[in-house]
Amino acid sequence: NAGVTQTPKFQVLKTGQSMTLQCAQDMNHEYMSWYRQDPGMGLRLIHYSVGAGITDQGEVPNGYNVSRSTTEDFPLRLLSAAPSQTSVYFCASRQGWAGELFFGEGSRLTVL
Amino acid sequence: TQLLEQSPQFLSIQEGENLTVYCNSSSVFSSLQWYRQEPGEGPVLLVTVVTGGEVKKLKRLTFQFGDARKDSSLHITAAQPGDTGLYLCAGEGNQFYFGTGTSLTVIP
Repeated sequence: NAGVTQTPKFQVLKTGQSMTLQCAQDMNHEYMSWYRQDPGMGLRLIHYSVGAGITDQGEVPNGYNVSRSTTEDFPLRLLSAAPSQTSVYFCASRQGWAGELFFGEGSRLTVL
Repeated sequence: TQLLEQSPQFLSIQEGENLTVYCNSSSVFSSLQWYRQEPGEGPVLLVTVVTGGEVKKLKRLTFQFGDARKDSSLHITAAQPGDTGLYLCAGEGNQFYFGTGTSLTVIP
């Protein structure tokens, strides 16, 4: 059972470069979200989506874009990476607005 | 600003000891969840509490939701090395907010 799959697992960028973190789920979940995890700060919500074609901002959306063209995929785009975006990023999904969140294994991003 | 504050941030105890982790907020949540995260992995759900004053037990773990639905606690009895990990509370409001996390190390 794949669940939530994130790629890549590790990435090093230079300041100003762009990249996309991929997230795919095979559970037919309507709700998908992106979090960043930094030491001492738990998980902070970046963007979320309640269905294909619908996205909204979370707590820390600046510097990130998302789109949801299919139920399965929810990519996170960094248009111009900054050192402050060095973090571990987690994608998560769940069936409805409430309930258990299922997480991917994370993507560790370093911006030099 | 973190909506949910957890304490302590770090906890290192000997096997067999008891411990309590706290999750506090000034906001009211419709439900609260606890997750555990191991290194290199995503968080995994332990429990969901939805009613003020609710107590749930999961083997040696006891979870309580505050009467006002603003806070929660996790108590572990006779901790084991397998309990080592990062414990995160998460509250359901207009969004889903995670706490600051408690890193637990249980020493054999």
